[in-house]
Amino acid sequence: DGGITQSPKYLFRKEGQNVTLSCEQNLNHDAMYWYRQDPGQGLRLIYYSQIVNDFQKGDIAEGYSVSREKKESFPLTVTSAQKNPTAFYLCASSQQISNQPQHFGDGTRLSIL
Amino acid sequence: QKEVEQNSGPLSVPEGAIASLNCTYSDRGSQSFFWYRQYSGKSPELIMFIYSNGDKEDGRFTAQLNKASQYVSLLIRDSQPSDSATYLCAVKWSGGGADGLTFGKGTHLIIQP
Repeated sequence: DGGITQSPKYLFRKEGQNVTLSCEQNLNHDAMYWYRQDPGQGLRLIYYSQIVNDFQKGDIAEGYSVSREKKESFPLTVTSAQKNPTAFYLCASSQQISNQPQHFGDGTRLSIL
Repeated sequence: QKEVEQNSGPLSVPEGAIASLNCTYSDRGSQSFFWYRQYSGKSPELIMFIYSNGDKEDGRFTAQLNKASQYVSLLIRDSQPSDSATYLCAVKWSGGGADGLTFGKGTHLIIQP
């Protein structure tokens, strides 16, 4: 089935540790996105990528990094510089054409140990 | 600052009635408008999208857009208990390209059996 796969479903981070969240899609979408959701809050954009080897900062990029080496993959690293990483992380993708809706993976819940 | 506003609720509606969810946005030049449904602990699921003024119907759902008033709504007819969820309004701002969406905080809808 076509879709977006995020892993792991749950992740725990120790103080000072970097962790990487995986996002893979087989929808042949050019654009991919990372959002963060805190309890009772809407989604906030961390990074997005419109094409391989290119990505742009969103509204809350500090403490995060991404790469886009393959069209299918857009991993997110939560670095130790992100002091409040506990949240629900959602990856999405869409066709490159403007106005196309974004579709989401099942998400990764990150907590601090 | 581009903002999307929703009443957080909870909005309680009897089963079989019409649920009306509202959203206002700050940028008059916004292009595209999306409604997502999010069950507790799950990722958002696309329900409707609308680009032009007026109504757009899909089954029990109707999206309504009024760009002059900067207002978009979602009507759910014949509400079912399974419609109980948080509904997120999302807006794509003008400028084109596959950049991210701005989300409201969501309205919590409860359908009473």
